[in-house]
Amino acid sequence: ILNVEQSPQSLHVQEGDSTNFTCSFPSSNFYALHWYRWETAKSPEALFVMTLNGDEKKKGRISATLNTKEGYSYLYIKGSQPEDSATYLCASGAGSYQLTFGKGTKLSVIP
Amino acid sequence: DSGVTQTPKHLITATGQRVTLRCSPRSGDLSVYWYQQSLDQGLQFLIQYYNGEERAKGNILERFSAQQFPDLHSELNLSSLELGDSALYFCASSPGAGDSNEQFFGPGTRLTVL
Repeated sequence: ILNVEQSPQSLHVQEGDSTNFTCSFPSSNFYALHWYRWETAKSPEALFVMTLNGDEKKKGRISATLNTKEGYSYLYIKGSQPEDSATYLCASGAGSYQLTFGKGTKLSVIP
Repeated sequence: DSGVTQTPKHLITATGQRVTLRCSPRSGDLSVYWYQQSLDQGLQFLIQYYNGEERAKGNILERFSAQQFPDLHSELNLSSLELGDSALYFCASSPGAGDSNEQFFGPGTRLTVL
């Protein structure tokens, strides 16, 4: 069973600030790393799936990087907006057809 | 709207009872996953089906079982319910079975065991 850790647990930023959070996962038997965005009272929504070391993905103001050798991924949000407030989940797969999720980073963007 | 549907939305039942949660995947998706979200816990993987066959099993209790039918909808059966089974149960679907498949989550079923 993988151990996926996310930090920080929660984060408050001012509107307009840029921010980033970390996801750590075991680097052995790595297969894929997922990022999901989970707004309150909704269901998790996929942001990125990354598989290769050095992968960088971008969607609007949100981007993510992947380092499979050292077992971490960063999620960056540029110019945070109140609508970015959500819990951001990462999940790692080791090729066993199941993802292990971290507990998430809860982001609150203050207008 | 992810295209994944789950019913019911809410379920309140008593200890010792049995319930069935239902999930219909997105059109064209062959994989269905079940997750449990309890208080202070991350999403816990329960089980995955691909095209009707069980593909992976996580920390699913023996009191729980699931199946995927020929029309690809899936049901999660929870029996001999305990207070600790109260949780949000999510179903997700994806086109394929591998870990690199993006998963699309349904709205969840909130189960309360009294």
